[in-house]
Amino acid sequence: DVKVTQSSRYLVKRTGEKVFLECVQDMDHENMFWYRQDPGLGLRLIYFSYDVKMKEKGDIPEGYSVSREKKERFSLILESASTNQTSMYLCASRPPFIEQNVLTFGAGSRLTVL
Amino acid sequence: AQSVTQPDIHITVSEGASLELRCNYSYGATPYLFWYVQSPGQGLQLLLKYFSGDTLVQGIKGFEAEFKRSQSSFNLRKPSVHWSDAAEYFCAVSGGGADGLTFGKGTHLIIQP
Repeated sequence: DVKVTQSSRYLVKRTGEKVFLECVQDMDHENMFWYRQDPGLGLRLIYFSYDVKMKEKGDIPEGYSVSREKKERFSLILESASTNQTSMYLCASRPPFIEQNVLTFGAGSRLTVL
Repeated sequence: AQSVTQPDIHITVSEGASLELRCNYSYGATPYLFWYVQSPGQGLQLLLKYFSGDTLVQGIKGFEAEFKRSQSSFNLRKPSVHWSDAAEYFCAVSGGGADGLTFGKGTHLIIQP
């Protein structure tokens, strides 16, 4: 089974801190994604990457950046955390072929910004 | 742009009763459609998917969904729910491109004993 691991399940940070959320997948998937989940809003795409060092903005990229230096690792970065970035963050990966267009998700990282 | 509507924010069903969760999508071509389930504090797990072919698709945990192109719907069904089915359910659509899935806002399922 594909495994997507988010190293931090719960984080508490202060306003203005730089925050790194790490995601690692073990199935050599080309495509990786970061979503944000908020009650009543569902999942919204922040950034995605279809290859090493490649990144594309999703629907809500403001206040976030990403890094993909290795194929298996996709990091979400909050340069200066704000309280409105308190949320559940979900990482996902997917193989490149349309016939296998199924995202596999990590367990999520719940971030609280004080 | 593609979109997904899940009209029901909360649904309460008695254990053993049947279930139908509604999903309507907007997409210009033939969509790829998905249902995911999220248990409390967990990530999302794929229940089933529709890519092409038979419009009635079977998934895990006894769930099924039917794709109706004329109604732009992909409703999820289960004939008899169990208490362990209590969770958040998300419908999603994709055009098959690199940009992932577009999700609905979710339906919270509550099971009454």
